[in-house]
Amino acid sequence: GAVVSQHPSRVICKSGTSVKIECRSLDFQATTMFWYRQFPKKSLMLMATSNEGSKATYEQGVEKDKFLINHASLTLSTLTVTSAHPEDSSFYICSARDQLAGAYNEQFFGPGTRLTVL
Amino acid sequence: AQSVTQLGSHVSVSEGALVLLRCNYSSSVPPYLFWYVQYPNQGLQLLLKYTSAATLVKGINGFEAEFKKSETSFHLTKPSAHMSDAAEYFCAVSRNFGNEKLTFGTGTRLTIIP
Repeated sequence: GAVVSQHPSRVICKSGTSVKIECRSLDFQATTMFWYRQFPKKSLMLMATSNEGSKATYEQGVEKDKFLINHASLTLSTLTVTSAHPEDSSFYICSARDQLAGAYNEQFFGPGTRLTVL
Repeated sequence: AQSVTQLGSHVSVSEGALVLLRCNYSSSVPPYLFWYVQYPNQGLQLLLKYTSAATLVKGINGFEAEFKKSETSFHLTKPSAHMSDAAEYFCAVSRNFGNEKLTFGTGTRLTIIP
C-alpha cells in the first residue's frame, strides 16, 4: 500500500514556542490530506482538511490561527502548532488520499507525532 | 450527519477464540464503512472496507466484517485470535468516496489472553 510519513515522530517543546509537523506521501500524490488529533485512550478527532494549493478547511472548534496548515505540494502538508501550551500535548496523525488510486475514499495514515509541551 | 458507535471499549478473548468487535452506524445516505487497527504509538492501518459491493468483506490478517443494513451494523470478526491481534480497533464511516472525511468511533481495545 501507499506510504505516508510524518516528521518528527516525537517532539518536546517549551510552552510558548511553535512546532512544525510534516506529513509526506512517499510514493503517491495527494491533493487532499487530513490532520487528526488523538487524546489518550480516545478516538481520532479530525482537525482540518488540507487541500493542495488552497486554504485548509477547519472543523468546528479548531482554532485556525493556532493550528496552521500548509499544503504547498502534492506530497507535503505541514501542521504548525503556534504558541504551544501544555493542553496542546497530544498525538497528531495525518492521512493522505491517493488521488489516482480510484480507491473508495481510502486514506493512508502516517505513523503519528507525539507532541509534549512542557 | 454520520456516526458510528462501538460497543465495548475493552474486549478480552483467549488466544484461539473468536474475536467479535461491534460497530453500529448511523447515516442518512448509503455509507462507506471501514475498520482500522492501531498498535501502540503508531498510526492507523486499514483492515477492511465496505463500499456497497459484497456485504461480507474480507480483510487482512484473517479479519472480516459483514454489512447488515437491517441492523445498521458492521461487526468485525476473526475466527481464531492470535496474540499479535492485541491492539486498538476503530470503526469509521464516510458518506461516499472522494475526499470525504472519516468519522471514527471511540475505539475498542482488544486484549488477547494467553
